[in-house]
Amino acid sequence: AQSVSQHNHHVILSEAASLELGCNYSYGGTVNLFWYVQYPGQHLQLLLKYFSGDPLVKGIKGFEAEFIKSKFSFNLRKPSVQWSDTAEYFCAVNPLNAGGTSYGKLTFGQGTILTVHP
Amino acid sequence: DAGVIQSPRHEVTEMGQEVTLRCKPISGHDYLFWYRQTMMRGLELLIYFNNNVPIDDSGMPEDRFSAKMPNASFSTLKIQPSEPRDSAVYFCASTLRTGVTEAFFGQGTRLTVV
Repeated sequence: AQSVSQHNHHVILSEAASLELGCNYSYGGTVNLFWYVQYPGQHLQLLLKYFSGDPLVKGIKGFEAEFIKSKFSFNLRKPSVQWSDTAEYFCAVNPLNAGGTSYGKLTFGQGTILTVHP
Repeated sequence: DAGVIQSPRHEVTEMGQEVTLRCKPISGHDYLFWYRQTMMRGLELLIYFNNNVPIDDSGMPEDRFSAKMPNASFSTLKIQPSEPRDSAVYFCASTLRTGVTEAFFGQGTRLTVV
């Protein structure tokens, strides 16, 4: 079964610092990849997604992520964080079958809490 | 579309009582997921349905938990009897199968069992 590993449980940064959150997955085939964000007290919202094509994907609020197939990684980045980015971030993987359609099961990592100090 | 709708938003119940959580997925989505979120375990997949049929319930913690999806627009997650360790936020999510597979989450139900 596939698994998703997020290396950092809690990251603390000051405003304007650069951010990189690690995500690795274990699945040998084709995958769709996602980053979700959960602001305090709210539900999960999609930040960005990768289905195919350019491995560098851009999402909302200045976030981007790079898919490196050889490393089974999909790290999230932002050049300059803001206090409003304080949230929990989840990486998720959706494996595809040989026909390119989804098995349906979305597996999440454990989440990384980001705290940004003003 | 109003998105995934969950009810109630908050539920406080006494240990031993039955609790039923409800979810209305986005119209046209044929996958529905139930997740549980706690500080200790993070986000756990409990069960998911495809076209109203349960596909994988391996995440359901024990027999006290059951889930149903009687039609494409409604699902329930029932805990009977409830225990304090069931206290968590329960999220429902739905998604399309082919092509667009991002999941859309509901607002969650915060369950407290005292």
